[in-house]
Amino acid sequence: QKEVEQNSGPLSVPEGAIASLNCTYSDRGSQSFFWYRQYSGKSPELIMSIYSNGDKEDGRFTAQLNKASQYVSLLIRDSQPSDSATYLCAVGVQGAQKLVFGQGTRLTINP
Amino acid sequence: GAGVSQSPSNKVTEKGKDVELRCDPISGHTALYWYRQSLGQGLEFLIYFQGNSAPDKSGLPSDRFSAERTGGSVSTLTIQRTQQEDSAVYLCASSLGFRGGAYEQYFGPGTRLTVT
Repeated sequence: QKEVEQNSGPLSVPEGAIASLNCTYSDRGSQSFFWYRQYSGKSPELIMSIYSNGDKEDGRFTAQLNKASQYVSLLIRDSQPSDSATYLCAVGVQGAQKLVFGQGTRLTINP
Repeated sequence: GAGVSQSPSNKVTEKGKDVELRCDPISGHTALYWYRQSLGQGLEFLIYFQGNSAPDKSGLPSDRFSAERTGGSVSTLTIQRTQQEDSAVYLCASSLGFRGGAYEQYFGPGTRLTVT
């Protein structure tokens, strides 16, 4: 079983709609969770971090964490074509200073 | 402020040659990481450095790979006797350091290595 799992997609969403990206993880002791955006040919860019259960909002982005279900998600409201990218979920390893990354979900926003 | 910088941005080398990749972290960041990303694949952890502690080398794929960090700042990843399967983008990231979890990691632009 992979430590961090994401649906590889591609996920296609119409412009202006809400894009929902999901991630599950296996390490129940994980305390830190991150979402990165990676445009084709570029390096990952941190867009959200979340450490506590519940929702965290930053502009059009909302991260949701449920530690009991070992589930973290990213919602993108009012999706724009510029949001088209691969989104990587990363989970902190308990007791260490490392992240485990999922394989990424490719998101396409259709004008 | 300045982000993580990496050099060279592209490197083409012949099979069997040694290569050195450089990373300059964000000023003040005590932790430095190396990852590898093959075409269409996720990020593969290679090694990380935290301050003066011994590095975590658990992700290095073979003894042809090594890394050092001088003066707690700049790091060099060395690949000896390169093989075609070493072709990938090598990414460096830095963070503020350990606090019981994992601080946000910020990535450099990467070095694209092609072994012919």
